[in-house]
Amino acid sequence: GQNIDQPTEMTATEGAIVQINCTYQTSGFNGLFWYQQHAGEAPTFLSYNVLDGLEEKGRFSSFLSRSKGYSYLLLKELQMKDSASYLCAVSGAGSYQLTFGKGTKLSVIP
Amino acid sequence: SAVISQKPSRDICQRGTSLTIQCQVDSQVTMMFWYRQQPGQSLTLIATANQGSEATYESGFVIDKFPISRPNLTFSTLTVSNMSPEDSSIYLCSVEEGQASYEQYFGPGTRLTVT
Repeated sequence: GQNIDQPTEMTATEGAIVQINCTYQTSGFNGLFWYQQHAGEAPTFLSYNVLDGLEEKGRFSSFLSRSKGYSYLLLKELQMKDSASYLCAVSGAGSYQLTFGKGTKLSVIP
Repeated sequence: SAVISQKPSRDICQRGTSLTIQCQVDSQVTMMFWYRQQPGQSLTLIATANQGSEATYESGFVIDKFPISRPNLTFSTLTVSNMSPEDSSIYLCSVEEGQASYEQYFGPGTRLTVT
């Protein structure tokens, strides 16, 4: 089975940096994904990590350590529009299927 | 990325009835999936829609309750049968894209309320 943990809620200030952590235990691993979901909308793809290290994409970066079963999503220069839920998801070995964490609701305040 | 549409976008249905949700993609994709997102919860995979064969269901989901069709590489339907209020949820289809990864992209979702 797969178990994915991430904080339920976080609050950060506009212009600041925030790090959202995700830990996972899986029977096989084929990659870790981060999605952003605004209230009432579908999730949108942010990043995919399959190798250890940092992937940077504009204001968003995602890090993976396979040996530790750990990932984080780093958001820089926070904007009000970044207020959303951030979902960590893992793909198991030999599978396209994603198992999602419960999501972290991020609130950006002025 | 592929453009994914779903119909209907929302519906209110009476218990005991069935609703069929359509998912259309603007390009051919190999893998299509159906997820459920109950209020305040994260996404749960219902099944993988296989083209030309029966869908592959996850634990806790059965074909009689959630029949799925996948007649070609751009279209799939999910039916929620004999609905009860517990089926009130957002239903999303997703497709797998990416030549060297397993990136999945989601449709806009169908918000179902069962009364």
